[in-house]
Amino acid sequence: SQTIHQWPATLVQPVGSPLSLECTVEGTSNPNLYWYRQAAGRGLQLLFYSVGIGQISSEVPQNLSASRPQDRQFILSSKKLLLSDSGFYLCAWSTSRGGTDTQYFGPGTRLTVL
Amino acid sequence: AQSVTQPDIHITVSEGASLELRCNYSYGATPYLFWYVQSPGQGLQLLLKYFSGDTLVQGIKGFEAEFKRSQSSFNLRKPSVHWSDAAEYFCALSSGGSYIPTFGRGTSLIVHP
Repeated sequence: SQTIHQWPATLVQPVGSPLSLECTVEGTSNPNLYWYRQAAGRGLQLLFYSVGIGQISSEVPQNLSASRPQDRQFILSSKKLLLSDSGFYLCAWSTSRGGTDTQYFGPGTRLTVL
Repeated sequence: AQSVTQPDIHITVSEGASLELRCNYSYGATPYLFWYVQSPGQGLQLLLKYFSGDTLVQGIKGFEAEFKRSQSSFNLRKPSVHWSDAAEYFCALSSGGSYIPTFGRGTSLIVHP
């Protein structure tokens, strides 16, 4: 069966520090991968998605970046965190080539920037 | 452009009461529709989905949803709510040819004992 992992589960970082969040998927190949953010009391905001290794599409201009160095690995990064980067970060995957299939979400990372 | 509207930010029900969460969509063709549930501090989990066929869809945990094309709606229902159903519920829409689903802003369900 397929599983999705995210780490760390929680993270507290000072403003201006770097960030690296990792997401890995097991049990499937060539998935579509997604990074979402949930700010407190708000819905899901799509940050990045990837349909293949090295292919990254950005939905929101900001100081975050994403990379996909391996088929089932998706990394969210920042060189310098801002207070506004605080939130709950969710990684998700799907299998459909047309994006019409179910999205499967990881457990999330709670990021607090102080 | 496609959109999903969940008009209720919060819904409060008593345990054992029936539940209906509203979802309206805007899309030019037949959409693919989903309901997800998110427990506090967790990721989202699929409750049910509609692609085609029978417009009444059964899901996990006793939930069902009905697709009504004439009303552009996909409301989620449960006949008797349990305290463990307290969570955030998201309606989502996908369309053929797009890798990006559209999520509603979510409805927070509060269950009173």
